[in-house]
Amino acid sequence: DIVMTQSPDSLAVSLGERATINCKSSQNVLYSSNNKNYLAWYQQKPGQPPQLLIYWASTRESGVPDRFSGSGSGTDFTLTISSLQAEDVAVYYCQQYYITPYAFGQGTKLEIK
Amino acid sequence: QVQLQQSGPGLVKPSQTLSLTCAISGDSVSSNTAAWNWIRQSPSRGLEWLGRTYYRSKWRNDYAVSVKSRITINPDTSKNQFSLHLNSVTPEDAAVYYCARQWGTGNWENRNIDLWGRGTLVTVSS
Repeated sequence: DIVMTQSPDSLAVSLGERATINCKSSQNVLYSSNNKNYLAWYQQKPGQPPQLLIYWASTRESGVPDRFSGSGSGTDFTLTISSLQAEDVAVYYCQQYYITPYAFGQGTKLEIK
Repeated sequence: QVQLQQSGPGLVKPSQTLSLTCAISGDSVSSNTAAWNWIRQSPSRGLEWLGRTYYRSKWRNDYAVSVKSRITINPDTSKNQFSLHLNSVTPEDAAVYYCARQWGTGNWENRNIDLWGRGTLVTVSS
């Protein structure tokens, strides 16, 4: 099974500053036949289900602010928030959907410094 | 607007069966552009994908190995919903359970989850 590992576990960033979250997959999630990385990022706020931010590693879901961006390929991925806003305080998860069983990272808790 | 409405008991006794239902509005459980998942979340296990059901010329299921001997996910086309049954529960099965949709056009096996139910907190206790 593929294991997803995020770093750091928690992160405190000042308002307006950049936040970077890393995600590493134990196996390649780049599907060679379509050149797509089967990697998604979700945001979860307390008492709510996760909400999709990014899919195919770098495609923003409709309605997601453009301060959120995803990058990476193969086994190493990054979620970047270019200018942190107060409403971005949440836990962020990466997920591979390359193959079942789908796996999530352990989560990164993002707070305001 | 697609919505997923979860229902089912929040308290299950040890050794009994956990049963939850996810009613779909705005989409079809029989759609060949969707797949219907159950995922749970607990402090000890984080987000854990449990399994899915989907229709691609015939009904298909995938299950996590960790629960494969105890889980059944069934579609109900007459009510446009799908269900989770997890038998022989223990306190380790206590979690928030989510139903969730994968969706995409074309011929696909794997896609991101784009929609989640609100979650059901399930406690396992006698």
